[in-house]
Amino acid sequence: GESVGLHLPTLSVQEGDNSIINCAYSNSASDYFIWYKQESGKGPQFIIDIRSNMDKRQGQRVTVLLNKTVKHLSLQIAATQPGDSAVYFCAENDNSGYALNFGKGTSLLVTP
Amino acid sequence: DTEVTQTPKHLVMGMTNKKSLKCEQHMGHRAMYWYKQKAKKPPELMFVYSYEKLSINESVPSRFSPECPNSSLLNLHLHALQPEDSALYLCASSPARADEQYFGPGTRLTVT
Repeated sequence: GESVGLHLPTLSVQEGDNSIINCAYSNSASDYFIWYKQESGKGPQFIIDIRSNMDKRQGQRVTVLLNKTVKHLSLQIAATQPGDSAVYFCAENDNSGYALNFGKGTSLLVTP
Repeated sequence: DTEVTQTPKHLVMGMTNKKSLKCEQHMGHRAMYWYKQKAKKPPELMFVYSYEKLSINESVPSRFSPECPNSSLLNLHLHALQPEDSALYLCASSPARADEQYFGPGTRLTVT
């Protein structure tokens, strides 16, 4: 079946550097994509989303890029802070429109 | 109020017990979800309620029984669970479709 996957399972960055987390998706019918941050012992927290009619969307310190040609999604975090350490999941809506398919997740570790 | 609450935070139950997990949101969202999450894995969709009606059941065993008493509440009734059912159970809500789901903190369930 179709799935959402991530290129890197773990990412270690130094505090103050920029982080880039990548995600590949295979369902060309998906029209909505979302990034979540999950800290240990907590539920996933919404970070940013993007619809398929956009290539880029910016939030506070975060940017999501969508490349529909190669079915690639990325999350950029500027000036990464220790509080950014968490697991990051990308997700896409499925064909039903009611469910999200989650990628495997990337663990981001920010070192001082 | 922009949060999803879940009770209890932790639950330990034997294989012959009956227990219930509760979820509540007051954001006026009309779709609510139950997910199961194992350690170091993405959330897996179990059930979707849309306008208080069950719209998706992802082939979940009958020992898990969802209930949506009203648009703000979602329950998950548990009976005769197995040790492999131990996991973090997450509730989420969204305004009618899968877009921008808001997650609760989860219930950490241990089946002994």
